[in-house]
Amino acid sequence: EIVLTQSPGTLSLSPGERATLSCRASQSISSSYLGWYQQKPGQAPRLLIYGASSRATGIPDRFSGSESGTDFTLTISRLEPEDFAVYYCQQYGSSPRTFGQGTKVEIK
Amino acid sequence: QVHLQESGPGLVKPSGTLSLTCAVSGDSISSDYWWSWVRQPPGKGLEWIGEIYHTGSTNYSPSLKSRVTISLDKSKNQFSLKLNSVTAADTAVYYCTRVPLVRGIFITALDCWGQGTLVTVSS
Repeated sequence: EIVLTQSPGTLSLSPGERATLSCRASQSISSSYLGWYQQKPGQAPRLLIYGASSRATGIPDRFSGSESGTDFTLTISRLEPEDFAVYYCQQYGSSPRTFGQGTKVEIK
Repeated sequence: QVHLQESGPGLVKPSGTLSLTCAVSGDSISSDYWWSWVRQPPGKGLEWIGEIYHTGSTNYSPSLKSRVTISLDKSKNQFSLKLNSVTAADTAVYYCTRVPLVRGIFITALDCWGQGTLVTVSS
């Protein structure tokens, strides 16, 4: 089972700032099958990034994903008020398709 | 537009069986997807439960494998989750979702989610 470790647990930033979220995998992820999701209170998760770096349909280009070996990064270039939420990474290349524990991006 | 909708009892007694259904509209359950269940205990993170392919092939979380069954009903265009021997630790919002493939290759991740349904395990 691939374990995903997200850091930091909480990120306190102001609107307009850059957010950098990390997701580290315990082993290599097949075909870069790593996704990022945004979840707001009371809502279902929403897919932002798939394949480590491809934006899902309708996702603004301020969201970007990258990878370096088993380290994955979600970057939000300039935080908008609606971006304050919890973000999860998930690997879907092998079963079980595990999630990270989440990073909360909160308003400073 | 594809729509997934969970349904089932919101309250289940300890040691009982949790049963949920996900109705799919706007697409066929026989299309090339892994149809999946994910849960989220109150105030906690997401947990992948398992999935079923349109052929009927399944994968389950090792921690739940002994208690979970996911099945398809192609006549009703829906898929279901059964979790038996439930305890308070199974209290969570349960989501149904999907991963699309093309000729066995993932083309995106979990791209469409139901709104989720809260299931409470309590006597």
